[in-house]
Formats: sequence, structure tokens, C-alpha cells
Amino acid sequence: DVKVTQSSRYLVKRTGEKVFLECVQDMDHENMFWYRQDPGLGLRLIYFSYDVKMKEKGDIPEGYSVSREKKERFSLILESASTNQTSMYLCASSLLGVGYEQYFGPGTRLTVT
Amino acid sequence: GEDVEQSLFLSVREGDSSVINCTYTDSSSTYLYWYKQEPGAGLQLLTYIFSNMDMKQDQRLTVLLNKKDKHLSLRIADTQTGDSAIYFCAETKHGGATNKLIFGTGTLLAVQP
Repeated sequence: DVKVTQSSRYLVKRTGEKVFLECVQDMDHENMFWYRQDPGLGLRLIYFSYDVKMKEKGDIPEGYSVSREKKERFSLILESASTNQTSMYLCASSLLGVGYEQYFGPGTRLTVT
Repeated sequence: GEDVEQSLFLSVREGDSSVINCTYTDSSSTYLYWYKQEPGAGLQLLTYIFSNMDMKQDQRLTVLLNKKDKHLSLRIADTQTGDSAIYFCAETKHGGATNKLIFGTGTLLAVQP
């Protein structure tokens, strides 16, 4: 079974802190994705990566950066957390190509106070 | 527009059929998906339909695709309390280094016993 794990289920940080969210997948997938989920807005793509050290901006990259140093790990970084980044963050992975299923982690609920 | 649209909430009685509707935006989407999110969990692929199909049936699930109107629906027959969840439709967005999914806002299905 594909497994996508995220480092924390719940996280509370203060405004201005640097925040790291980690995601690991164990199925040798090329693609990895970071989304944020907000009520009434669905899932919005922040960044994705199709290979090690490769990254592309999604629809809402402002205030975020990412790192993919190893194929199985994709990190989302909030350089200076703000209250409007309070959200559920979901990581996903998939094989490269059209039509492949995205497998999701359980999510990290981040609260910035 | 750029948004994949769904109604936010649907309430049905156990044993009834549920129909969740979605309007997508990209007529060139090759695959359209339905994902299910149970409380406290990430998303799981429920079913998908290839764009050259009008209908797909999988046990209690029926997916209907109207390409002319860019309308996708998910019918759940004999709805059970375990079907209570948020349902997301997603379309494929082509281009760039890899294919992305654009998710709808999600429909919360509440099944009353």
C-alpha cells in the first residue's frame, strides 16, 4: 500500500516563526504536491515537484517555499508564519504521467497565533 | 472562470440515493475524479472517469459526464451513514512539466439515520 506520511497532525506556531512541514512517501513517486484546504475553498495547490530539486509554483505560492532534496521527501516552508496561513495542509504524491492517482497524507492542521 | 464548482452541503436519509454535482472548467481534461475525505483524514480516490466516457458504474457509485455542459455528477445508491464525508471532484489540468489536478470546493454529505 502507498503510504504518505506527514510529520505532525497538529501544529501551533507564533506569528513570524519559520515553520517546516515534512512529507514522506514510500512508493518511489516522482510527483509530490502541497495543498492547503480551507472551508468553502476546497484544495488549493501551493507547490509541486516532479523530480528531486525540481519545483513549480501552484496557484497560491506566496508566503511559501519548498524543498525536495530526496525523492521521497518534500518539505513545505513558511518563512515567516502569519495568521492567514492558519489552515489544513495536505501533501500528496503520484507517479509521473496523465491519469495517475494522487495519494494523500492525513494532513497537518496548522494554527498560527 | 477558473473555479471547479460544487454545492457545499447535501443531506440525505439512510437508504436514499445521493447525487453530488460538479461543474468543471477545462474541456480538455482527460480524466475527472471523485475523491472522498472522511473526518480527520486525507483524501482518497473514490472513482474516476475518462473524458471519452459518458457513464461509469462501480457497485453503488455511478458517475455521469456531460462534456458539452462540463458537468460531472456522482450518484451513491443506498446511501449509508458510513458515506458521510466531504466529496471533491477534480479535473486534470495539462501543461507544464506535469499534470495537475484542480479540485472543487467540496460537498459535505450528511447521512441521517
